[in-house]
Amino acid sequence: KQEVTQIPAALSVPEGENLVLNCSFTDSAIYNLQWFRQDPGKGLTSLLLIQSSQREQTSGRLNASLDKSSGRSTLYIAASQPGDSATYLCAVTPQSGTYKYIFGTGTRLKVLA
Amino acid sequence: NAGVTQTPKFRVLKTGQSMTLLCAQDMNHEYMYWYRQDPGMGLRLIHYSVGEGTTAKGEVPDGYNVSRLKKQNFLLGLESAAPSQTSVYFCASSPDQDTQYFGPGTRLTVL
Repeated sequence: KQEVTQIPAALSVPEGENLVLNCSFTDSAIYNLQWFRQDPGKGLTSLLLIQSSQREQTSGRLNASLDKSSGRSTLYIAASQPGDSATYLCAVTPQSGTYKYIFGTGTRLKVLA
Repeated sequence: NAGVTQTPKFRVLKTGQSMTLLCAQDMNHEYMYWYRQDPGMGLRLIHYSVGEGTTAKGEVPDGYNVSRLKKQNFLLGLESAAPSQTSVYFCASSPDQDTQYFGPGTRLTVL
């Protein structure tokens, strides 16, 4: 059974720091992996989607990498800002045609001004 | 273009009561999903639909029923609410197997 883990559960950093959030999954047979942002009391917003054949995706200050063989993905946030404070979740789609995301428990990030 | 909307935003039920949560999307997406989010457990898939008139079980379907009579609507029903169903419920829709678009959530408390 696919399990997705995110460490750390919470992280507090000063503004301007570069930081890395980690996501690990137990079964390397995935269709894609996605990183989401969730603000308190709100829904999820997709940040980056990495297909199984890709190694990384970039959007602005965000860069997500995928290493299927080791079951790991990282989300790199450059020059963090207080507005980046949110919970970040990763999710994997186990295989094509299943239409099911398996979510991690999230990392709650706080960027201090 | 409202995206994905959920009704209601908040609800308090007593044990044994029933209710229906409504999810609506105006993006003409084929696929729709219902998740629940509990502290420390991430999001878990309850039921999903791959098109109008279809439904399928997700990871935690017990105690819930769903219907997709119209393409734009996906209803989640609780026939006899239990305290274990206290949670935040999210609906999502997608045009394919990639990006899902989420609604703002419904916070349900069962006393």
